[in-house]
Amino acid sequence: QQQVKQSPQSLIVQKGGISIINCAYENTAFDYFPWYQQFPGKGPALLIAIRPDVSEKKEGRFTISFNKSAKQFSLHIMDSQPGDSATYFCAPNNYGQNFVFGPGTRLSVLP
Amino acid sequence: NAGVTQTPKFQVLKTGQSMTLQCAQDMNHNSMYWYRQDPGMGLRLIYYSASEGTTDKGEVPNGYNVSRLNKREFSLRLESAAPSQTSVYFCASSRTSGGFTDTQYFGPGTRLTVL
Repeated sequence: QQQVKQSPQSLIVQKGGISIINCAYENTAFDYFPWYQQFPGKGPALLIAIRPDVSEKKEGRFTISFNKSAKQFSLHIMDSQPGDSATYFCAPNNYGQNFVFGPGTRLSVLP
Repeated sequence: NAGVTQTPKFQVLKTGQSMTLQCAQDMNHNSMYWYRQDPGMGLRLIYYSASEGTTDKGEVPNGYNVSRLNKREFSLRLESAAPSQTSVYFCASSRTSGGFTDTQYFGPGTRLTVL
């Protein structure tokens, strides 16, 4: 079983603050590193993803930082908003393999 | 486009009953998946279908069967439901072509309770 670990398990941030969630993996063959966002009662949805040929990708307030040598990638949410309150999953993958989801990080952004 | 649709949204079964969860996608995706999500846990893969006509076991296949009816539809069957199968079930699909795995698109989920 491929191991994917996330930290922290839960996170509470004030509105306007920075939220940082980390994902560590073991399989060096992974070539696709997405973060999914899930709101209560809904299915997960892709938030942002990166491929290993770049070390960082930014989309609006969301940034992925990728550290290939450390086998880690992280999600940064700048200017966190109450609407960002959700559970976040990393799910690294490579072609021909199953997606392996991390256990999730529950983010609460206080108004 | 409706994306990924799942039926039913909610279901209550008694131990030993059977049922089929339906999933359909209208994005012309090759691959389809069934996951279960238990409280406080991530998603665990039950079965997947890399392409029409193929199915393979995932992490937790025991007690389930699947059918890839055509490219659009992928059903999950519980032959004899057990309380341990109480969970939220998600269907997903992805393009998965050209040597790269693409984003997974998820349905809204089926909330199943087995008494």
